[in-house]
Amino acid sequence: KAGVTQTPRYLIKTRGQQVTLSCSPISGHRSVSWYQQTPGQGLQFLFEYFSETQRNKGNFPGRFSGRQFSNSRSEMNVSTLELGDSALYLCASSWSGRADTGELFFGEGSRLTVL
Amino acid sequence: AQSVSQHNHHVILSEAASLELGCNYSYGGTVNLFWYVQYPGQHLQLLLKYFSGDPLVKGIKGFEAEFIKSKFSFNLRKPSVQWSDTAEYFCAVISNRDDKIIFGKGTRLHILP
Repeated sequence: KAGVTQTPRYLIKTRGQQVTLSCSPISGHRSVSWYQQTPGQGLQFLFEYFSETQRNKGNFPGRFSGRQFSNSRSEMNVSTLELGDSALYLCASSWSGRADTGELFFGEGSRLTVL
Repeated sequence: AQSVSQHNHHVILSEAASLELGCNYSYGGTVNLFWYVQYPGQHLQLLLKYFSGDPLVKGIKGFEAEFIKSKFSFNLRKPSVQWSDTAEYFCAVISNRDDKIIFGKGTRLHILP
């Protein structure tokens, strides 16, 4: 079956702009979570959605937001971009996302460069 | 706050050498533990996981990890590495209290042919 699909794969923005990234989970998976990956900080959890509700949130400013649609597809938005937002943004899906199931299936990521 | 520490940021080994990558976590409650691997140009994938039971878990490609609760550790091991093991390895923890997954900063493993 198809894996997790993220679009766009690469994008370049300038400071102050906003960006929307999209994630299509594996069919049947209801949980979608987002991560920021940078060389210095590794993977940092942004938020998790389950059945269109944000179930968990990491320690990122309010400029980072997300949503999930009824078909489980998810989008994340970053407003007022800063240079430090340059990173690989990863999406992962799982059937339930609960601690007792665990395995995350990752997409290849969207690489954002902010100039 | 819950955290995950991977002590080695960059490891270089020759083929056939033994590997041990350290991982320690700070949370004292019930946790589920994972190792994920990211091969060059590929997406992150699960290597192995521990939920309960035998603290020695075996994963794909000959990897294993041992959960030592008293040391809050979940070290990854492989007796004999191959060039194809060159990748970045991430340890991760989910606590049963808040369901948030915390990743370590990763260890870049480079195997010399």
